Formats: sequence, C-alpha cells, structure tokens
Amino acid sequence: KNQVEQSPQSLIILEGKNCTLQCNYTVSPFSNLRWYKQDTGRGPVSLTIMTFSENTKSNGRYTATLDADTKQSSLHITASQLSDSASYICVVRETGGSYIPTFGRGTSLIVHP
Amino acid sequence: DVKVTQSSRYLVKRTGEKVFLECVQDMDHENMFWYRQDPGLGLRLIYFSYDVKMKEKGDIPEGYSVSREKKERFSLILESASTNQTSMYLCASRDSYYEQYFGPGTRLTVT
Repeated sequence: KNQVEQSPQSLIILEGKNCTLQCNYTVSPFSNLRWYKQDTGRGPVSLTIMTFSENTKSNGRYTATLDADTKQSSLHITASQLSDSASYICVVRETGGSYIPTFGRGTSLIVHP
Repeated sequence: DVKVTQSSRYLVKRTGEKVFLECVQDMDHENMFWYRQDPGLGLRLIYFSYDVKMKEKGDIPEGYSVSREKKERFSLILESASTNQTSMYLCASRDSYYEQYFGPGTRLTVT
C-alpha cells in the first residue's frame, strides 16, 4: 500500500530561524510530489511540485528537494516568519493516471516571535 | 484564479439530522473530491467524482453520499448525522496537471 510519512509531527521555532520538514514515501511508480501549506481554518494551497527529474525547486523562502532514489523529500524554510505558522502537507502521486494521490498527515509548524 | 467555494464555514447540527454540504468550482474541472480532516489523521478521502453524475467511493464513504448533477457543483450528504462525523470537511477540484484546489472548509459539529 502506498504510504507517505512526514516528520516531525510538530515543530516550534523562533522567528528568523530556519527549519526543514521531511517527507518519506513508498508510492510507486512515482509521478510527482507536492508540498501544500494549510493555514489554520483554511484549505491547503500548493507551494511547489517536484517531478522525477527535479532535485531542487525554490519558491521564495521555501526550497523543496527530492531524492527519487531514496524516496525522500524535504521542505526547507529560510528566515522563518510568523506567517509561516501552518500545517505543511506532502502529497505524492503515482503514474498511471490514478485519480487519487497519497497524502501525508502533515507537519504542524509554529513560529514564535 | 481557481475558486472553490463551500456553502458554510461553520455548521452545527443535531444527531440524526440530514446534512448537505455544497461545493462549487468555477474552473470547469472534471474531477472533484470530498475529504474530511481530523487532528492527527490528516486528510481522508470520502468520495470523488470524475464527471457529472459519476462518483466513486474513497477510503471512508460509510455514512456519506454525494451528488453531482452539474459539473461545477459537488454535494456531500450526511444521511443521518452522528457525533463521530464532527470534523472539518474540505472540497477540492483538480486541474489537468493533477493539482488540487481546495475550498476553505466547513467545520461541522454534530451534537
């Protein structure tokens, strides 16, 4: 069964610090991996998508990496801000046109002033 | 911008009531989804639809049904609400690149 595991489950950091969130998956054959950000009380919003051939992709202060060999991805947040406080969800899709991707349970990030 | 709207942000219902959650998208997407989200469990798929009048069960369909009479509208129905259906409900539609666009969610409380 396809699985997506995220760690840590929760994280508290001080404003201005960096942090890295992890995502390990067993989805195969792999098509792509998305990171979503979900603010409290809102729906998830896509931050970035990683395909098989991509190792690193940045979106402002967010940098995602992908190692398709070890089936791991990370989301690095640089110089955190209070607005980064949210849940970050890793979602992996397999090839073959499946309608349903596999969701991780998310990492809850709290940034303190 | 893709917009997915849900009929209510907050809803309180009594046990046994029939509950309708409405979702509308404005981007002509064929695929639409209903999830529930609970602390520690993440998003779990209830039902999805890949075309008008077409529906498929997700991972946790028990106690729910859906309706898709028009392409832009996907409704989730709780036939007889129970307290264990208290949750955040998220609707999503998906584009041809498989990106899902989520609505703001409906926080349902069943008392």
